[in-house]
Amino acid sequence: DGGITQSPKYLFRKEGQNVTLSCEQNLNHDAMYWYRQDPGQGLRLIYYSQIVNDFQKGDIAEGYSVSREKKESFPLTVTSAQKNPTAFYLCASSIDLSPYGYTFGSGTRLTVV
Amino acid sequence: AQTVTQSQPEMSVQEAETVTLSCTYDTSESDYYLFWYKQPPSRQMILVIRQEAYKQQNATENRFSVNFQKAAKSFSLKISDSQLGDAAMYFCAYRSANSNYQLIWGAGTKLIIKP
Repeated sequence: DGGITQSPKYLFRKEGQNVTLSCEQNLNHDAMYWYRQDPGQGLRLIYYSQIVNDFQKGDIAEGYSVSREKKESFPLTVTSAQKNPTAFYLCASSIDLSPYGYTFGSGTRLTVV
Repeated sequence: AQTVTQSQPEMSVQEAETVTLSCTYDTSESDYYLFWYKQPPSRQMILVIRQEAYKQQNATENRFSVNFQKAAKSFSLKISDSQLGDAAMYFCAYRSANSNYQLIWGAGTKLIIKP
């Protein structure tokens, strides 16, 4: 079955560490997105990518980095420059200008310890 | 820029009753799509229903239906015969049909189902 796989489900980061969240899709979608969600809050866009080897900053890109070397993969690195990284991270994908919205992964819960 | 507003941070309804969640949006475009997503405690985002702006007929999916008022820029979600499994955060979202890929999100409404 096609879908989006995010791993790991839970991730713990020590102060000063970089960590990478994985997002893989087998839907042949062009666009991929990373969102951050804080408790009781909505979704805030971190980065998005419309095609391979190209990506754009969203509303809260500071302290994060991404790559899009393959259509299927869009990993997110949370760097030590992100001062408050504890949050729930959602990856999504979509077809170009599709009326069908996004398909979401099941998310990664990142906690700073 | 487009915006989406959900004015009800929290709603509660008795099991088996009907509840309506509100959503308004602001846009100068005429061609767009609107969505309602559900996020249960598992935090998996699930598409509930969608509406194309060019369609006058309101979308329905089983117990879920929308009241789309294009002139008023309103897109409310009605849940009939509420069930315990409907308890979740509900997010309204807007997407242009012509420009970029992004969804513009509302802040969400937490729906509580009382048994």
